[in-house]
Amino acid sequence: KQEVTQIPAALSVPEGENLVLNCSFTDSAIYNLQWFRQDPGKGLTSLLLIQSSQREQTSGRLNASLDKSSGRSTLYIAASQPGDSATYLCAVLKGSNYKLTFGKGTLLTVNP
Amino acid sequence: NAGVTQTPKFQVLKTGQSMTLQCAQDMNHNSMYWYRQDPGMGLRLIYYSASEGTTDKGEVPNGYNVSRLNKREFSLRLESAAPSQTSVYFCASSEGVQVHGYTFGSGTRLTVV
Repeated sequence: KQEVTQIPAALSVPEGENLVLNCSFTDSAIYNLQWFRQDPGKGLTSLLLIQSSQREQTSGRLNASLDKSSGRSTLYIAASQPGDSATYLCAVLKGSNYKLTFGKGTLLTVNP
Repeated sequence: NAGVTQTPKFQVLKTGQSMTLQCAQDMNHNSMYWYRQDPGMGLRLIYYSASEGTTDKGEVPNGYNVSRLNKREFSLRLESAAPSQTSVYFCASSEGVQVHGYTFGSGTRLTVV
């Protein structure tokens, strides 16, 4: 059974700091990995999707990497801002039913 | 472009009552999904519909039924609500999921008292 772990569970940083969020998964036979952002009481917003054949994806200040063989992904946020405060979720896609398996998330707080 | 729309946004039910959560997408996606999100448990798949006319059980289907009404709409029904079904429910859709991933709705916060 696929398991997804996110470390740390919570992170507090001062504004302007570069930071890395980690995601690991137990079964490396995945189709893709998707990073989401969730604001309190809100839905999930897709940030980046990395297909299994790719190593990384970039969008603005965000960079996500994927090492499928070791079962790891990182989300790098450059020059963090208070508006980046949210819960970040990673999810892996595997199987013919296209079911996503989610980690429990990292709660990020960026302090002004 | 509205994406995935869920109604209602909030609902309080008494134990034993029934209700239907509605979901509609305007992206012409074939696949639709229902997830629930609980503290400490993450998001778990309840049911999914790979295409119009098909539905399948996910990880936690007990106590729920679904209907894929047409390509746009996928509803989730609680026949006899229980306090254990207090949760936030998310609907999602996908097309070419390996390349484009999922799109989620904004959620329905359900409390069963």
